[in-house]
Amino acid sequence: AAGVIQSPRHLIKEKRETATLKCYPIPRHDTVYWYQQGPGQDPQFLISFYEKMQSDKGSIPDRFSAQQFSDYHSELNMSSLELGDSALYFCASSFISYNEQFFGPGTRLTVL
Amino acid sequence: AQSVTQLDSHVSVSEGTPVLLRCNYSSSYSPSLFWYVQHPNKGLQLLLKYTSAATLVKGINGFEAEFKKSETSFHLTKPSAHMSDAAEYFCVVSEEDSNYQLIWGAGTKLIIKP
Repeated sequence: AAGVIQSPRHLIKEKRETATLKCYPIPRHDTVYWYQQGPGQDPQFLISFYEKMQSDKGSIPDRFSAQQFSDYHSELNMSSLELGDSALYFCASSFISYNEQFFGPGTRLTVL
Repeated sequence: AQSVTQLDSHVSVSEGTPVLLRCNYSSSYSPSLFWYVQHPNKGLQLLLKYTSAATLVKGINGFEAEFKKSETSFHLTKPSAHMSDAAEYFCVVSEEDSNYQLIWGAGTKLIIKP
């Protein structure tokens, strides 16, 4: 069965650079969620989109932005990267009525 | 407001012995409850979920959890631990009124002793 795809799987950037993470949801899923998981921490919700519109906003810094495109894939754009942005970034998708999120493998971002 | 408390940050058991990972939640309405597992340097995998059907939920890899509304608990159990069960386990709650946003527990690290 198709799963959530995230790219890249690993990314190394320097401070003040920008990064773009991509998420391809399971086919027919209409909702995408982004999470940030720091070392030894539980995932923190950043933002979600339903039918290409932002549906919820969590602890997403102003330096980050995200959008969902017409094909339902989503991109998380991160600017002015800081050392503290180093984390595992998960994308999850769901079909809104089913209340179950399916997680991608994550993108590990390292900021040097 | 929803919240999740995982009562143990670490649980250590010997291979072949039972596993108990404790989770308590608070929720204003009828919650959905999940257990996710995360192996080292890996993604999050759904173990099982409770969504107002049977209170005893069976998941993958021999795990099960029982929803006890009177105790606001959703403890995860397995009769016999395997070395491959060593991982971080997250208890998660969500509610329709919060747009199904997931509220995560802090996680319990399960250590399996040979």
